[in-house]
Amino acid sequence: AQTVTQSQPEMSVQEAETVTLSCTYDTSENNYYLFWYKQPPSRQMILVIRQEAYKQQNATENRFSVNFQKAAKSFSLKISDSQLGDTAMYFCAFSDPGYALNFGKGTSLLVTP
Amino acid sequence: DAGVIQSPRHEVTEMGQEVTLRCKPISGHDYLFWYRQTMMRGLELLIYFNNNVPIDDSGMPEDRFSAKMPNASFSTLKIQPSEPRDSAVYFCASSLRGFADGYTFGSGTRLTVV
Repeated sequence: AQTVTQSQPEMSVQEAETVTLSCTYDTSENNYYLFWYKQPPSRQMILVIRQEAYKQQNATENRFSVNFQKAAKSFSLKISDSQLGDTAMYFCAFSDPGYALNFGKGTSLLVTP
Repeated sequence: DAGVIQSPRHEVTEMGQEVTLRCKPISGHDYLFWYRQTMMRGLELLIYFNNNVPIDDSGMPEDRFSAKMPNASFSTLKIQPSEPRDSAVYFCASSLRGFADGYTFGSGTRLTVV
């Protein structure tokens, strides 16, 4: 079974600074998809960014970008210019053909003034 | 579109009672997923449907859990009888193409069994 590991249970960053959340995964597949989800205190799960494994280019969505290292099976999320509203749980997730999304345990991010 | 709609938002029930959680997916989405979130186990897939047909229910913890999707716009997750260890947040999500797309989640149902 595919596994997703987020090694940082909690992180903290000051407003306007940059923070990177780590994620590693294990799979024998070559074609798969990776995602980062945000869960604020409202508990709504919000898709932040998506990466296709066969694309070399790292995905970017405004202040959010990823560093996708396929050989290392690493998929980190960089948040630039952190804002107070970025305070949330962040989940890394993996899917390959035939399987539903498999989530990591999450990283709790606190943005401080 | 109103997004994925779940009801109720909160449910408190006594042990042994039947609980039914409801979900309306986004119109046109062919895939529907039920997840459970707890502090100990994180987000776990319970079951998913494709075109109203259950495809993988290997995550359903016990026979006490059952899920149905009678049509493309409605699904239920039922627990009978409920137990305190079933207390969790239950999410419904839908997706247009399944695994290639991210899912759109509902706001979840927080279930407390006392």
